[in-house]
Formats: sequence, C-alpha cells, structure tokens
Amino acid sequence: NAGVTQTPKFQVLKTGQSMTLQCAQDMNHEYMSWYRQDPGMGLRLIHYSVGAGITDQGEVPNGYNVSRSTTEDFPLRLLSAAPSQTSVYFCASSRARTQRNNEQFFGPGTRLTVL
Amino acid sequence: AQKITQTQPGMFVQEKEAVTLDCTYDTSDQSYGLFWYKQPSSGEMIFLIYQGSYDEQNATEGRYSLNFQKARKSANLVISASQLGDSAMYFCAMVRGSGGSNYKLTFGKGTLLTVNP
Repeated sequence: NAGVTQTPKFQVLKTGQSMTLQCAQDMNHEYMSWYRQDPGMGLRLIHYSVGAGITDQGEVPNGYNVSRSTTEDFPLRLLSAAPSQTSVYFCASSRARTQRNNEQFFGPGTRLTVL
Repeated sequence: AQKITQTQPGMFVQEKEAVTLDCTYDTSDQSYGLFWYKQPSSGEMIFLIYQGSYDEQNATEGRYSLNFQKARKSANLVISASQLGDSAMYFCAMVRGSGGSNYKLTFGKGTLLTVNP
C-alpha cells in the first residue's frame, strides 16, 4: 500500500512550457484534490474530484487543468507555465465522508520552479 | 465562506514543556470538521488530530490534544512534553460537514514551532 504518490518530486520549467504533474493513490478513495503551497499562504485548493469523470474548480484554478479517468489517477496539467505557478504542489485523497473523520492523505509534494 | 486564522507565525518552546498553538475559524455551517497537520522540514503533510463540530469531548491523540471551544470558534492544538522532533510547521484546517463540499480543506497560514533543547 503506497498511499498517495506524486511524480516528479522536482521540476524546472521555462515560461510557456507545458507539463503534467502525476498523482496516484491505491486506497480506492473517491475524493482527490490538488493544492498548492506558497510561502506564508498555507495550502490552497486548485481542483478536486469526487469520482472518476467528475472534476470541479477550487480556490485557485486558473492556469491548471485536471481530468479523472480512473479512481486511482488524478493528473494536474499546466498548459503554459508562468512564474506565478512556482510553488509546491500537493495531491491528496480521502474516502467518502460516511463517518466523522474524512482524513485527507497527502502525497509527498512536487516542487515546481518556472523560470 | 470558511476562514481559518492562525495568529502565531512562530512559536518557541523548551523541550519537555507543553505548548498551545492557536486556531480560530469562521463558518456559518453547523456541521464541520477541524484538522491539524504537521509539516516538518522534509515537506510532507502529516495528519495529527481531528475534531468534529458535534463531538462533545475534545479529541486526543497521544501527546496531541485539541482544545475545542465551539462558542469561541477556536480549535487550539496542545502538544504536551515537547520533543525536538516536534519542530515543524503546523497547519489548522477545516472541512465543511455536509453537502458536496465535505472533502475540501481550507487551511490557515500555519505556525512554525521551534523546540529548544
């Protein structure tokens, strides 16, 4: 049971380049989310998914696309990278909130630098 | 909209002493959940403790306890017998308890805790 995995761990892009951050979980969780962490800002929600084929925007969705073709995978796409997207990106997953605790499990993060 | 406020950017504590990290929240929901996460310098997010809005007792997990004061909308984290390994950034977060938003976390800006030997 690997939990939530993210690749790559580090990435440097030039302005205008595109890339996909990968996220996978093996806990059969329905809910998956992407957050970005910037200094002094805490974590902010980018996009989320409540199940395969269903995605929606979070607090800071501009410049990012997502899709959810399987329960396990939830990739985050940067179509045209900008320096403002320099950040640490976390993927998280959780089970449906049928009980009191829907702890979100976080991946190790991807540190992205856009030059 | 939900909001989490952590007013202490940084805190210092002596090893073996207790420390309280403050968290206040703002929500109009009756049902919600409150979390604390620890982020060491290595960067991963580690779940510490959870408190539901309808829980009558304060949550405890080992050396961690959550001082939940619903009327004051506060959910302070208490760490007893601090250890050097407790040095980290601590985040308070909230999730709505009903409807389609009960999995989206709203985070505070964090408190950097330093434990001195």
